[in-house]
Amino acid sequence: ETGVTQSPTHLIKTRGQQVTLRCSSQSGHNTVSWYQQALGQGPQFIFQYYREEENGRGNFPPRFSGLQFPNYSSELNVNALELDDSALYLCASSSASGNYNEQFFGPGTRLTVL
Amino acid sequence: AQSVAQPEDQVNVAEGNPLTVKCTYSVSGNPYLFWYVQYPNRGLQFLLKYITGDNLVKGSYGFEAEFNKSQTSFHLKKPSALVSDSALYFCAVRDMRGGSYIPTFGRGTSLIVHP
Repeated sequence: ETGVTQSPTHLIKTRGQQVTLRCSSQSGHNTVSWYQQALGQGPQFIFQYYREEENGRGNFPPRFSGLQFPNYSSELNVNALELDDSALYLCASSSASGNYNEQFFGPGTRLTVL
Repeated sequence: AQSVAQPEDQVNVAEGNPLTVKCTYSVSGNPYLFWYVQYPNRGLQFLLKYITGDNLVKGSYGFEAEFNKSQTSFHLKKPSALVSDSALYFCAVRDMRGGSYIPTFGRGTSLIVHP
């Protein structure tokens, strides 16, 4: 069974640029969620995709967008990067969109915005 | 709105002693509650969850948690701590209502187990 993988591991961008982060979900999982974890904080929910449709969104602006592909992998896109976007971005997958299912997290992508 | 509080930034315990990491929550309906652990430079790992039923939930690596509805708490416990348990622990809650799925995580508690 393959776990959740994310790429790249680290990324450095400058303010105003755009970035795309990628995630491959665990085998058999059809739901992917993205989180932002700032230093010293807990993960904050960005959005969730279930069968290629967004079905939940946290308090993040529209410049945070995503995609889920037929193989259930996913992308997180952030436009017009700001300094405060510097954080660890975590992807998590689960077997269904139900609220009771535990999630399996990837190792994260560390984004630094200069 | 739902919320989670982890009142302690850090918990220190000696190896072999029992440990408790505290979590309180606030939701409008019945809660789904979770504990995750995060080791340095790693993603979060699921430990245990409470959905319904027995208030004492057993999870991975000898951890357990007690759901207390009247105190709106879900404290994580282990009878005998190991040095390898040192990590960052996160409590999370999901509202049981259907519709939009928005989980909320606490700020995390750093557990340090001393040899």
